[in-house]
Amino acid sequence: KQEVTQIPAALSVPEGENLVLNCSFTDSAIYNLQWFRQDPGKGLTSLLLIQSSQREQTSGRLNASLDKSSGRSTLYIAASQPGDSATYLCAVAPGTYKYIFGTGTRLKVLA
Amino acid sequence: GAGVSQTPSNKVTEKGKYVELRCDPISGHTALYWYRQSLGQGPEFLIYFQGTGAADDSGLPNDRFFAVRPEGSVSTLKIQRTERGDSAVYLCASSAGTSGHNEQFFGPGTRLTVL
Repeated sequence: KQEVTQIPAALSVPEGENLVLNCSFTDSAIYNLQWFRQDPGKGLTSLLLIQSSQREQTSGRLNASLDKSSGRSTLYIAASQPGDSATYLCAVAPGTYKYIFGTGTRLKVLA
Repeated sequence: GAGVSQTPSNKVTEKGKYVELRCDPISGHTALYWYRQSLGQGPEFLIYFQGTGAADDSGLPNDRFFAVRPEGSVSTLKIQRTERGDSAVYLCASSAGTSGHNEQFFGPGTRLTVL
């Protein structure tokens, strides 16, 4: 059974720091992995989608990497800003459709 | 519309009542998903539609839960005889195409509270 773990559960950093959020999964047989952002009381906003054949994706200050063999993904956020404060969720697709989600990392960027 | 929309945004009901939650996917998206998110947890899969048919309903917790998508667009999640444990945020997502290689886009969710 696929399980997804995100570490740390919560993180507080000063503005401007570069930071790394970690996601690990127990079964390396995945189709893709997607990182989402969730603001309090809101739905999920897609950040980056990495197909199983890819090793990384970049969008602006965000970079996500995927190492299937070790069951790990990282989300790197450069030059963090207070507006980056949110919960970040990692989701893996063990088959061709549904996602298995981690419990998220709650990020707070202090001004 | 430009994104996935869900109505209502909030629903408060009493134990034992029937509720319907609606999802409008992105126009043209053939795949539609329902997830449920409890406080402090990640979303959990409930059901997946490809077109009008439910391709996988293995995540529905019991037979009080049912979902339809009669015309392959709007979907309704129906919960009978609601229980306090059904309280959660119900999220809908859609994606283009017929495989999970496609990015999923989520709606804002419906917060269900069962008193």
